[in-house]
Amino acid sequence: AQKITQTQPGMFVQEKEAVTLDCTYDTSDQSYGLFWYKQPSSGEMIFLIYQGSYDEQNATEGRYSLNFQKARKSANLVISASQLGDSAMYFCAMREGLTGGYNKLIFGAGTRLAVHP
Amino acid sequence: ETGVTQSPTHLIKTRGQQVTLRCSSQSGHNTVSWYQQALGQGPQFIFQYYREEENGRGNFPPRFSGLQFPNYSSELNVNALELDDSALYLCASSLSRVGAQETQYFGPGTRLLVL
Repeated sequence: AQKITQTQPGMFVQEKEAVTLDCTYDTSDQSYGLFWYKQPSSGEMIFLIYQGSYDEQNATEGRYSLNFQKARKSANLVISASQLGDSAMYFCAMREGLTGGYNKLIFGAGTRLAVHP
Repeated sequence: ETGVTQSPTHLIKTRGQQVTLRCSSQSGHNTVSWYQQALGQGPQFIFQYYREEENGRGNFPPRFSGLQFPNYSSELNVNALELDDSALYLCASSLSRVGAQETQYFGPGTRLLVL
């Protein structure tokens, strides 16, 4: 069965420093997609970054980068130059298959990030 | 471009009642997925609708049902509410097309409390 594991229930980081949030996944599929979402206390899930299983380069979106290590089945999120507004829950999610068809996301339990001034 | 919207934002019901939650998909999207997020957990997939038909279902009982309308908006209906149905219900929309990667974009959610 497909599974996402986030082993850090909570993380603290000083403002302007970088932080890495861990995510490991388990799947027998060759084609899959990995996503990171941010959930502030308001509840809305905000899409941050995507990595496809066949992508050779690590994905980057502004201050967010995804450290994708396929052989280790890990997809860690790196946030550079942390800001106070980065304080939120962060969820790693996996989609089976890459395009079209059934599009179910499997989520991890999340990591709560607190950015301190 | 309007994002995903959901209504109502909050709802209080009593056990045994029925509830309908609504979702308007992002402009240009044709697929809607619903998730249940219990307190302190990650979202759990309920079902997905594509072109007005259920396109997949998670491990939820039949009292969870849904609809998708021609304008791609959607409803989630829950009958015979139980205390454990108390959760944040998230709707996500995406554009399903051949050969393209899909990203689900979420609405703000509806917080349901069952007493």
